[in-house]
Amino acid sequence: KAGVTQTPRYLIKTRGQQVTLSCSPISGHRSVSWYQQTPGQGLQFLFEYFSETQRNKGNFPGRFSGRQFSNSRSEMNVSTLELGDSALYLCASSLGLGGLDTEAFFGQGTRLTVV
Amino acid sequence: GESVGLHLPTLSVQEGDNSIINCAYSNSASDYFIWYKQESGKGPQFIIDIRSNMDKRQGQRVTVLLNKTVKHLSLQIAATQPGDSAVYFCAENTSTGGGNKLTFGTGTQLKVEL
Repeated sequence: KAGVTQTPRYLIKTRGQQVTLSCSPISGHRSVSWYQQTPGQGLQFLFEYFSETQRNKGNFPGRFSGRQFSNSRSEMNVSTLELGDSALYLCASSLGLGGLDTEAFFGQGTRLTVV
Repeated sequence: GESVGLHLPTLSVQEGDNSIINCAYSNSASDYFIWYKQESGKGPQFIIDIRSNMDKRQGQRVTVLLNKTVKHLSLQIAATQPGDSAVYFCAENTSTGGGNKLTFGTGTQLKVEL
């Protein structure tokens, strides 16, 4: 069974631009969560989507947004990019029903560099 | 300004020895804990999990211990191999508002010496 797929793997953007990252979860998984990983802050939770609804949100500014489609694929968008947004953005999918279904599987990530 | 990276604790072990990686978590309401392994250039890989109603769980060469009294989690790797070299993260899951959120520790770099 295919794992979590994130595209693109690498991205270079200029300050002020916006970017959209994509995540395809494992087939049958309905929950998609996004995380930002930086050397300075480690792994930080951005938001979680389940059945096209945002269920949970971390402490990031409104420039960070996301959405989920009916096929559970998810995108996250960062507008007005800042140098500090350079990071590895990770997507994790799970069944999302809670209990034993909480196990989350991660994709390889998208490495975003803002110059 | 220059950003300061997180100081990752490093554990160096000899091949064949047992490794113990420790983690303190913060939220007594967390109901589920997971250990992940992350190799360079890859996403975190699930190793083992444990629910808050358990204090020990064993997998293949790995054991997780949970001490809720002191909010401490440990990962034991038996007969450590070179392929175990990676950064290990503990994560605590908190269910809020119907959703789940993983809070990660800072990670421990495991180096296996031949």
